[in-house]
Amino acid sequence: EDQVTQSPEALRLQEGESSSLNCSYTVSGLRGLFWYRQDPGKGPEFLFTLYSAGEEKEKERLKATLTKKESFLHITAPKPEDSATYLCAVQAIDYKLSFGAGTTVTVRA
Amino acid sequence: DVKVTQSSRYLVKRTGEKVFLECVQDMDHENMFWYRQDPGLGLRLIYFSYDVKMKEKGDIPEGYSVSREKKERFSLILESASTNQTSMYLCASSLAGSEQYFGPGTRLTVT
Repeated sequence: EDQVTQSPEALRLQEGESSSLNCSYTVSGLRGLFWYRQDPGKGPEFLFTLYSAGEEKEKERLKATLTKKESFLHITAPKPEDSATYLCAVQAIDYKLSFGAGTTVTVRA
Repeated sequence: DVKVTQSSRYLVKRTGEKVFLECVQDMDHENMFWYRQDPGLGLRLIYFSYDVKMKEKGDIPEGYSVSREKKERFSLILESASTNQTSMYLCASSLAGSEQYFGPGTRLTVT
């Protein structure tokens, strides 16, 4: 069974304090790994897709990386508006998508 | 930009009522999905559809049905609402094998 584990569950950062979120996975053939951002009471917003180990994607203060067993979402010099829950999802070879439980990031000014 | 809309943001229904949740996407995506999201349980797939009039069960289909009569519209039906169906319901759409785009969600409360 495909599994996605995100850590930590919650992360409290001071504005400007860089950190990383982890997404470890076991999947029967990885087709793609997705990162989403979700604000309270809203639907997830797509951020990145990573397809193969070694791949990196960047968007503003966010950078996602992928290895064969895990992905990291690095937040560089975060601002309060980066506060959200970040979800990781893996797509198996049969196109089935499995989501992690998410990491809730709070950035204090 | 992809736009996925859901018919209601908030809905309150009584136990035993039939409930319809509608989702519309404007990007000509083949695939559409219905999830529910509960604290501590994450996103769980209820049903999905990869073509008009086609549907497949997800991980938790019990108590739900779906309808896809047109490519852009995917409806979730709760035949007889129960209190354990109180949840946030999220609709998504995608091209085959690509990232999913989500709607704003419907927070359903069954009393």
